[in-house]
Amino acid sequence: QQQVKQSPQSLIVQKGGISIINCAYENTAFDYFPWYQQFPGKGPALLIAIRPDVSEKKEGRFTISFNKSAKQFSLHIMDSQPGDSATYFCAASYPGNQFYFGTGTSLTVIP
Amino acid sequence: DAGVIQSPRHEVTEMGQEVTLRCKPISGHDYLFWYRQTMMRGLELLIYFNNNVPIDDSGMPEDRFSAKMPNASFSTLKIQPSEPRDSAVYFCASSPAGVETQYFGPGTRLLVL
Repeated sequence: QQQVKQSPQSLIVQKGGISIINCAYENTAFDYFPWYQQFPGKGPALLIAIRPDVSEKKEGRFTISFNKSAKQFSLHIMDSQPGDSATYFCAASYPGNQFYFGTGTSLTVIP
Repeated sequence: DAGVIQSPRHEVTEMGQEVTLRCKPISGHDYLFWYRQTMMRGLELLIYFNNNVPIDDSGMPEDRFSAKMPNASFSTLKIQPSEPRDSAVYFCASSPAGVETQYFGPGTRLLVL
């Protein structure tokens, strides 16, 4: 059973546009929600993370929006650039436990 | 810091052969994780260690897979015998504290013919 459901599977955005990737979860014990970015041939790298005590976290062009009641969180990439083209994974964990990763979203930013 | 180091980066082997993947975590990191990534199943945790002790190996697919961490700076993932369905990218990750803030290595791309 997929603990974290991610959509869409792939996304194509024009340069300068906003990329939005969504994730949903069921386990209310989750208390840490990171997003990882993976370039071809590389390992995933932590991009940004949030805890459920805040509804939004912003780092540069990347923002996580968190809706605790809906058990959903999303990644927004503002002013998307071709260099943002990568696969993005959401994940969730609860204290002392492993990460549960989403299935990934392949983002392509067209110049 | 060199980051998490994995070797080999690519491995091609024939079905039935033994495969050993190696990982050197970041110095000072107490947690080490082994993941498998495939198109069909995404990123799956196989096993993780804390202070060289296996904590959760529930993700290890079957007895053909084994992992060891003889010291704080080295871990191996062994597949014996290997099968074509084991073809995947295997990642090692380490963390300074807990399961959060994991740093991934570049991965080993395994192809079993």
